Amino acid sequence: NAGVTQTPKFRVLKTGQSMTLLCAQDMNHEYMYWYRQDPGMGLRLIHYSVGEGTTAKGEVPDGYNVSRLKKQNFLLGLESAAPSQTSVYFCASQDSPGLAGSDTQYFGPGTRLTVL
Amino acid sequence: DAKTTQPNSMESNEEEPVHLPCNHSTISGTDYIHWYRQLPSQGPEYVIHGLTSNVNNRMASLAIAEDRKSSTLILHRATLRDAAVYYCILRENYGGSQGNLIFGKGTKLSVKP
Repeated sequence: NAGVTQTPKFRVLKTGQSMTLLCAQDMNHEYMYWYRQDPGMGLRLIHYSVGEGTTAKGEVPDGYNVSRLKKQNFLLGLESAAPSQTSVYFCASQDSPGLAGSDTQYFGPGTRLTVL
Repeated sequence: DAKTTQPNSMESNEEEPVHLPCNHSTISGTDYIHWYRQLPSQGPEYVIHGLTSNVNNRMASLAIAEDRKSSTLILHRATLRDAAVYYCILRENYGGSQGNLIFGKGTKLSVKP
């Protein structure tokens, strides 16, 4: 049981380049989230999904897109990277409300992205 | 969402108890009190949560004030591995909502050998 995994672990981009971050979970969770964390700050929500085929905007969605084609995967895309998107990106998952353990959110190890 | 207030940093000695405070004076009746921690260069991990009664698990204890306007995370014997940023987070019983966690800056706990 790997939990939540993220690829890649590190990436350096030039301004204007695009990339996709992959999050995978093997716990059959309905809800998945993408957060970003800037130095000395708490995590902020970018986008989230409450089930396969559904996505919604969080607190800081600009410059990002997401897709949830399969229940176990949640992809975060940067179409044209900017230096302001330099950050550490965390993916998380949790059960639907009302299920045992639904109060616990499980996080991946993070992707450290630098945009030059 | 109701906000929480935590000290920016705290220090502890190894093998001594640690009491991490959190104020949440605007907490509503349906808000659960959650604690997560983030070890260096890792994602956050769940520690404990409660609603009204004190809670214990293998990692820590959570003491909740009778008026629920404050709570304290208790690590009974701090180890070097407990050095982390600890986040106190309020969550509604989120049936139907997006259910994300709202993070503040947390308390950075340093543990001295």
